[in-house]
Amino acid sequence: DIQMTQSPSFLSATVGDRVTINCKASQNINKYLNWYQQKLGEAPKRLIYNTNSLQTGIPSRFSGSGSGTDYTLTISSLQPEDVATYFCLQHNSGLTFGSGTKLEIK
Amino acid sequence: QVQLQQSGAELAKPGSSVKISCKASGYTFTSYYISWIKQTTGQGLEYIGYINTGSGGTNYNEKFKGKATLTVDKSSSTAFMQLSSLTPDDSAVYYCARRGGFDYWGQGVMVTVSS
Repeated sequence: DIQMTQSPSFLSATVGDRVTINCKASQNINKYLNWYQQKLGEAPKRLIYNTNSLQTGIPSRFSGSGSGTDYTLTISSLQPEDVATYFCLQHNSGLTFGSGTKLEIK
Repeated sequence: QVQLQQSGAELAKPGSSVKISCKASGYTFTSYYISWIKQTTGQGLEYIGYINTGSGGTNYNEKFKGKATLTVDKSSSTAFMQLSSLTPDDSAVYYCARRGGFDYWGQGVMVTVSS
């Protein structure tokens, strides 16, 4: 089974900061990597699919990059409404999730 | 618009079973498989399995074989998951999600197992 290691677990940043969250797969996942945002009590919302494709309706400050085993979600300028937990999902082989990053505003 | 509407919260006793539903709308139901995911504070997100909404064929994560049973009713565009022999470890929020990008998720069903 493919394991996903997500970091950091917790992130505190200031409005306007550039924020990055990372996921590392235990083997090559061929860019089949999605990023989700989950606010308290809500269902996950897909932000990025297949590494770098922006979901329709998602602000352009969100972007994704990576290849092979290493992937990154970037928020270019953090906004107050971005407070949430973010997680990655690999769907190259089976389905495994990162452990999540809780993002707060300083 | 695409929606996956799940059934309401469940409170169940240890040893019993629950059956939760996921009703799809806004797209052709049989064009996408439905996956099921478990979320807990301790274990995070875990993949349970998926069902082929056209044929009813299923695929399960080894961990959930014998625990979860996935079925579908094409006439009502609804997928179901039955959880059996419940223990407190089954207490979680359960999501359905449209496979093929995992783009749309249901709102989740909280299942609480307690005597």
